Amino acid sequence: EDQVTQSPEALRLQEGESSSLNCSYTVSGLRGLFWYRQDPGKGPEFLFTLYSAGEEKEKERLKATLTKKESFLHITAPKPEDSATYLCAVQAGAAGNKLTFGGGTRVLVKP
Amino acid sequence: SAVISQKPSRDICQRGTSLTIQCQVDSQVTMMFWYRQQPGQSLTLIATANQGSEATYESGFVIDKFPISRPNLTFSTLTVSNMSPEDSSIYLCSANPGQGDTIYFGEGSWLTVV
Repeated sequence: EDQVTQSPEALRLQEGESSSLNCSYTVSGLRGLFWYRQDPGKGPEFLFTLYSAGEEKEKERLKATLTKKESFLHITAPKPEDSATYLCAVQAGAAGNKLTFGGGTRVLVKP
Repeated sequence: SAVISQKPSRDICQRGTSLTIQCQVDSQVTMMFWYRQQPGQSLTLIATANQGSEATYESGFVIDKFPISRPNLTFSTLTVSNMSPEDSSIYLCSANPGQGDTIYFGEGSWLTVV
């Protein structure tokens, strides 16, 4: 069974204090690893898809990396507007297009 | 990216009643997905809806409780039947509009059962 574990569950940062979120996964035949941002009361907003170990993608202050067992979402010099829950999900080869989600990391950036 | 619209965005429902959630995608898609997000939890897939065939339900979810329709390639409905307070959740519709493997989500339908 596909499993996704995110850590930490919650993260409090000062504005400008860089940090990393972890997503470890166990899946049969990874097709893709997805990062989403979710604000309270809203649907997940797509950030990145990573397909193979060693791949990196960046968007503004966010950078996602992928190894064979885990992915990291690095937040560089965060701002209060980066406060959100960040969700990691995997898409397995035998599962079609469905996603298996981790529990998420709630990030709070204080000014 | 795809635009996925859901209705209602929020509702308060009486115990024992049923509510139908609508999902509209701005492009034709083969598969649509329905997820549930219970308070403080992550997303759990309820079912996959293919146009022209019966929906495929995940373990723990049954058609009698969550009937799904998929009348065409841009629209789907999820009904939450005979609701109880445990059904209070955000229900999310999602789809892959064909831009790679990316799956996009609607804004969600936040149901509170009293």
